[in-house]
Amino acid sequence: AQSVTQPDIHITVSEGASLELRCNYSYGATPYLFWYVQSPGQGLQLLLKYFSGDTLVQGIKGFEAEFKRSQSSFNLRKPSVHWSDAAEYFCAVGEYSSASKIIFGSGTRLSIRP
Amino acid sequence: DTAVSQTPKYLVTQMGNDKSIKCEQNLGHDTMYWYKQDSKKFLKIMFSYNNKELIINETVPNRFSPKSPDKAHLNLHINSLELGDSAVYFCASSQSPSTDTQYFGPGTRLTVL
Repeated sequence: AQSVTQPDIHITVSEGASLELRCNYSYGATPYLFWYVQSPGQGLQLLLKYFSGDTLVQGIKGFEAEFKRSQSSFNLRKPSVHWSDAAEYFCAVGEYSSASKIIFGSGTRLSIRP
Repeated sequence: DTAVSQTPKYLVTQMGNDKSIKCEQNLGHDTMYWYKQDSKKFLKIMFSYNNKELIINETVPNRFSPKSPDKAHLNLHINSLELGDSAVYFCASSQSPSTDTQYFGPGTRLTVL
């Protein structure tokens, strides 16, 4: 069965520092991968997604993620974080058939140090 | 302008009561979903409808009954509420049940006392 692991429950980085959030997946075929962000009290917003092609995916708000099949990873990166990036980040893998669904990881909470 | 809206935003009720949460999307999407997010932020799909037909029904107690009167609406009715039902419930929609991006509503925080 498909699964997603986000090993870091909570990460704190300084404003202006670089960021990498880890995500590992388990999926038998080529995965469809997503990163979503949830700001406090809000719904989830898609940051970026990977379906095929270039393994380095650019998203909104300056985020990018790289699909590495050999490592079963899809880590999210940002070169310089802003205080407004403080939020919960969810990695997800898509299970696609006639009844498609997304399996979410447990999330990583990002705090920004002034 | 809101793409996916849910009402109410907060719902506080007693055990044993019956309550409903409403969801509407104005994106013209064919597929809608209900997710449950527990206190540890774990997000799990409950139901999915495509063109008003149920296509995903995870192992959810039958006290939960989704209803889709039309493609733009997916409501969630919960009977005999239990303490463990306390969570944030998110509605989402996508163009189709495939690789399309899912757009989420703001969530409904349900507290069962």
